[in-house]
Amino acid sequence: AQSVSQHNHHVILSEAASLELGCNYSYGGTVNLFWYVQYPGQHLQLLLKYFSGDPLVKGIKGFEAEFIKSKFSFNLRKPSVQWSDTAEYFCAVIGSSNTGKLIFGQGTTLQVKP
Amino acid sequence: DVKVTQSSRYLVKRTGEKVFLECVQDMDHENMFWYRQDPGLGLRLIYFSYDVKMKEKGDIPEGYSVSREKKERFSLILESASTNQTSMYLCASSLRLGGNSPLHFGNGTRLTVT
Repeated sequence: AQSVSQHNHHVILSEAASLELGCNYSYGGTVNLFWYVQYPGQHLQLLLKYFSGDPLVKGIKGFEAEFIKSKFSFNLRKPSVQWSDTAEYFCAVIGSSNTGKLIFGQGTTLQVKP
Repeated sequence: DVKVTQSSRYLVKRTGEKVFLECVQDMDHENMFWYRQDPGLGLRLIYFSYDVKMKEKGDIPEGYSVSREKKERFSLILESASTNQTSMYLCASSLRLGGNSPLHFGNGTRLTVT
């Protein structure tokens, strides 16, 4: 069965620190991968996505993620975080041939201290 | 811009009540979804619908049903609310099923069952 695991449940960083949030998935075929973000009091929104091609994908607000197929990983990175990046981050996966079931990880709460 | 509107931001209901959560999207999307979001568990799919009057079970459908009489509206029904259904409920829509079509989320309904 598909599953997604986010290793860090709560991360606290100071502004300008670098960020890496881990995401590993379990699925036997080709996948599409996503990172969603939920800012306080707001709805979930798409941060970035990977379908195919260059495994390094860039998203909004300076975020990027790298798909490493051999490690079943899709880690999210940002070189220098800002206070406004405080949010909850969700990794999600769906099989490319699957219809409907986007599977989410447990979420990581990021707190950036000014 | 896609707008997914959930009718209530907060709801408080008593055990055994029948509860309706309403969701409307304005972008003529074929697909609509209901998730519940719980701390440490991420988002879990309850039901989704890929067409009017069509529905499929997600990962945790027990205790819930859905209704999609019109394309823009997708209702989640708790036939007899229980305290373990206290949660944040998120509605989402997408243009197509599968990984190529990201989800657009509503702001959520925080349901408390006492």
